[in-house]
Amino acid sequence: DAKTTQPPSMDCAEGRAANLPCNHSTISGNEYVYWYRQIHSQGPQYIIHGLKNNETNEMASLIITEDRKSSTLILPHATLRDTAVYYCIVRVIYNQGGKLIFGQGTELSVKP
Amino acid sequence: SAVISQKPSRDICQRGTSLTIQCQVDSQVTMMFWYRQQPGQSLTLIATANQGSEATYESGFVIDKFPISRPNLTFSTLTVSNMSPEDSSIYLCSATPGQRTDTQYFGPGTRLTVL
Repeated sequence: DAKTTQPPSMDCAEGRAANLPCNHSTISGNEYVYWYRQIHSQGPQYIIHGLKNNETNEMASLIITEDRKSSTLILPHATLRDTAVYYCIVRVIYNQGGKLIFGQGTELSVKP
Repeated sequence: SAVISQKPSRDICQRGTSLTIQCQVDSQVTMMFWYRQQPGQSLTLIATANQGSEATYESGFVIDKFPISRPNLTFSTLTVSNMSPEDSSIYLCSATPGQRTDTQYFGPGTRLTVL
């Protein structure tokens, strides 16, 4: 699976949009971009995933560049409860799912 | 989504002993995984728990140290054997539900401290 590069930490003001970048320049055509987050002392929580089109759900939006070498996770109105480590992962989806390889992630701090 | 529970939620153990961690999913799943998260670190995959066959271990992890069982489609156990303080970590179970084959869901984790 391709490696990802994320900034180690970011700050965001409460109520503002949080934009978390991820570089995955070696991504293959059959690899998806996944985002998870881990709030302190809890198991990782699935946020969103995509292949090449932008995706949106109730939690966030995922913007993938046309060349697929980078992506941005957008939390439109960050709250204090969004403070967490955010992981960007690229992986092939095998039949019935495949393993996730976690990098170091971005520690997002949402401040009042 | 799948709801995953783990037992125990935390434990403190003596070196040289073993601990078995249980993972229960609220629906039948095809694939289950075990991860380790050492203090201040990211998650590292230990193994894939295969139903009806031996687990598939990642590099650096061996069956003698981390035996895994998967007796059915909703349950798995991970044993941490002959523990040392270096085994102090959070151990997490995850699963891919049959309904959403492309998303992996995680349990709350088991916090293990070895003295």
